[in-house]
Amino acid sequence: DVKVTQSSRYLVKRTGEKVFLECVQDMDHENMFWYRQDPGLGLRLIYFSYDVKMKEKGDIPEGYSVSREKKERFSLILESASTNQTSMYLCASSLPGTAAYEQYFGPGTRLTVT
Amino acid sequence: GENVEQHPSTLSVQEGDSAVIKCTYSDSASNYFPWYKQELGKRPQLIIDIRSNVGEKKDQRIAVTLNKTAKHFSLHITETQPEDSAVYFCAASSFSNDYKLSFGAGTTVTVRA
Repeated sequence: DVKVTQSSRYLVKRTGEKVFLECVQDMDHENMFWYRQDPGLGLRLIYFSYDVKMKEKGDIPEGYSVSREKKERFSLILESASTNQTSMYLCASSLPGTAAYEQYFGPGTRLTVT
Repeated sequence: GENVEQHPSTLSVQEGDSAVIKCTYSDSASNYFPWYKQELGKRPQLIIDIRSNVGEKKDQRIAVTLNKTAKHFSLHITETQPEDSAVYFCAASSFSNDYKLSFGAGTTVTVRA
């Protein structure tokens, strides 16, 4: 059974703070993704990675960066948190190639920036 | 890039009735169309998917249809039950887009007892 875990379910940070959201998967998946989920906007891709040390920008990368030092771990970094980054953040992982289509999601981190 | 539109945004149905959610996509190269279900407070989970070489796929009470010419696909839930209440997301992807999923905005389905 695929397990994708995220470091926190709820997080409250202040404007300007540096924020780290961590995601770990235990199924040896090559691909990992970070999304943010907002009402009425669905899931929007922030960054993704298809291999260790590799990262690609998604549709809304501004204000975010990522790190993938190990295959099982993919971190999302908010360099200087702002109130418009208050959202639900979802991590996902998948196998490579055509199997990459099915993504397994973590439970989400609800981030509030005050 | 791919643009996926999903309708309706909310749907209320009587228990036992059918529910239909429709999505359109813009990229003719898209060839994989999954549907995810997210129950309140839980993670999205894949419930059914369809590839472009198939027009319809069924799994018990849920079915998905695809019209490649019109670039739209739909989720059909028959004999709805209270546990079908959730947010449903459609998505589209293609190998030419690095297998990234582009999601619709979601449909909140409420099944009334």
